[in-house]
Amino acid sequence: DGGITQSPKYLFRKEGQNVTLSCEQNLNHDAMYWYRQDPGQGLRLIYYSQIVNDFQKGDIAEGYSVSREKKESFPLTVTSAQKNPTAFYLCASSKGGATGELFFGEGSRLTVL
Amino acid sequence: GENVEQHPSTLSVQEGDSAVIKCTYSDSASNYFPWYKQELGKRPQLIIDIRSNVGEKKDQRIAVTLNKTAKHFSLHITETQPEDSAVYFCAASLRGGNKLTFGTGTQLKVEL
Repeated sequence: DGGITQSPKYLFRKEGQNVTLSCEQNLNHDAMYWYRQDPGQGLRLIYYSQIVNDFQKGDIAEGYSVSREKKESFPLTVTSAQKNPTAFYLCASSKGGATGELFFGEGSRLTVL
Repeated sequence: GENVEQHPSTLSVQEGDSAVIKCTYSDSASNYFPWYKQELGKRPQLIIDIRSNVGEKKDQRIAVTLNKTAKHFSLHITETQPEDSAVYFCAASLRGGNKLTFGTGTQLKVEL
């Protein structure tokens, strides 16, 4: 089955701890994205990557970090510097960059206690 | 950067009625405008998109219109059905760009 997989689906962490969210795709897409979804705020772009070993900050990158060592993988680390990390995180990939269809994962819900 | 505003935030219609969701964008260089539907507990999925070289696009009961001069685009759903109930997001991307900027979403509820 081709698709994009995020894990874990639910994650609880204590304040001050870093946490890494996994995103894997087997669609052979070059571009990958991380969005944060909060009620009433839509989908806000955290980081994106167009090719392996390259990534750019999105609109709300502060307190987050990413890596793109493999085409299939784009993990997101939520660091202790992120002031309000509790949110729903969506990973996406696309074949044609931002002007092509985005395929989303099922999301990861992070709750910081 | 690009800014996309979406209205209304919630919309309730009777089954069979039409629904219209409107978005405005700020950057006149934007040329790609997709719409995504997110059903409760599910991932967003593309339902229709339009590029700036056309003014309207239809796909069965859904259509999107684009007014480049006014920098706004709209989603039209006719003959609404209960399964149309979802959150709808508009988005915009710059020509050749790598970023897709989303609106804040519209919660559509189709009542029986």
